[in-house]
Amino acid sequence: KNQVEQSPQSLIILEGKNCTLQCNYTVSPFSNLRWYKQDTGRGPVSLTIMTFSENTKSNGRYTATLDADTKQSSLHITASQLSDSASYICVVSAGNRHNSGGSNYKLTFGKGTLLTVNP
Amino acid sequence: DTEVTQTPKHLVMGMTNKKSLKCEQHMGHRAMYWYKQKAKKPPELMFVYSYEKLSINESVPSRFSPECPNSSLLNLHLHALQPEDSALYLCASSQVVELYNEQFFGPGTRLTVL
Repeated sequence: KNQVEQSPQSLIILEGKNCTLQCNYTVSPFSNLRWYKQDTGRGPVSLTIMTFSENTKSNGRYTATLDADTKQSSLHITASQLSDSASYICVVSAGNRHNSGGSNYKLTFGKGTLLTVNP
Repeated sequence: DTEVTQTPKHLVMGMTNKKSLKCEQHMGHRAMYWYKQKAKKPPELMFVYSYEKLSINESVPSRFSPECPNSSLLNLHLHALQPEDSALYLCASSQVVELYNEQFFGPGTRLTVL
């Protein structure tokens, strides 16, 4: 069964501090992994997307890493801001890595890490 | 335009009402999705449309009826809902249904069923 586990479940940090969120997955065959930021009551917004051949990808203060061998990913947030308070969701796609036209449509969502940045 | 829009933002309806949720994108995407998200839970896929045709129905009750009138629009018609159907309903789109393409999510419609 495809699963995505995230840790911690919630995290409180002070403004300006760094933090790292973890994601472990058992999705097979692996296609790609994405990190989304979701503000309360709003739709998810994509931060990064990585395929199996990518080890790291940055988007401003967000840096995602991927270890396809250990099936782990992390999202590092640098110099946190109050606006970073949100739920961060790890989403993994299954598919045939050799066929970019794979027909699997379903994403496996983690339950998210709720980040609170306090002043 | 890299945006998925949804209307209304909030909807309150009784169990006997008929209402519709609307989703629109102008990115030329040919795959569109409906998700349901309960509080503190991940989104759950409901329907997938590919090239304006329903390709996936994740065993959703018939009181939810999707419609794709054209490649830019996706509707979700609601009838005889139950209070447990209260949730955030998210629309998403991607260039095509294959997963290598990123899904863009709309802001959601917060539905409350009384």
